[in-house]
Amino acid sequence: KNQVEQSPQSLIILEGKNCTLQCNYTVSPFSNLRWYKQDTGRGPVSLTIMTFSENTKSNGRYTATLDADTKQSSLHITASQLSDSASYICVVLAGNNRLAFGKGNQVVVIP
Amino acid sequence: GAGVSQSPSNKVTEKGKDVELRCDPISGHTALYWYRQRLGQGLEFLIYFQGNSAPDKSGLPSDRFSAERTGESVSTLTIQRTQQEDSAVYLCASSLAQGGGSPLHFGNGTRLTVT
Repeated sequence: KNQVEQSPQSLIILEGKNCTLQCNYTVSPFSNLRWYKQDTGRGPVSLTIMTFSENTKSNGRYTATLDADTKQSSLHITASQLSDSASYICVVLAGNNRLAFGKGNQVVVIP
Repeated sequence: GAGVSQSPSNKVTEKGKDVELRCDPISGHTALYWYRQRLGQGLEFLIYFQGNSAPDKSGLPSDRFSAERTGESVSTLTIQRTQQEDSAVYLCASSLAQGGGSPLHFGNGTRLTVT
């Protein structure tokens, strides 16, 4: 079983609308959690990093939340733009310095 | 630019041939990772280099796969006797240090197609 599960697997949203992506993890001990954005044909790019003590962090129109007790994180995209069409990957760093990757949330923004 | 550079960007090879993929990390980055990404799938860890320490090869799927890195410079991933199942995008990433607060900086990958 994958240690990082993301949902929904894919979604289509209208330009200008908001959406929320979910990441549940079982990695333990937990060190930090990152969200990456991967455009088609490109490598992933880091959006946010969150440590155990952080509940929320924003990067422009992207806001990540973390609940370390329930081992859940979300990435909220506000006022989506066509350029937000991408795969969003949740990556958890375990205490043994091993990285666990989710399979990604595929977002398609349509005009 | 100063990002991670991978070459070639695309490679088509015949089944049974050997291929070599190259990664130029960001200067000063001590950690280097190789990942495989099959179509529609998540990233699959292959191998990790940290400075002059022995590499973590635990993700290599078979003995047909090998990788080298000299010091903190260029790395090459070699796949011998390629199979169709090896078709994927091979991503390289580097970071300032192992784990911690340092993000991975990814290259754009090498898309390998084995015919």
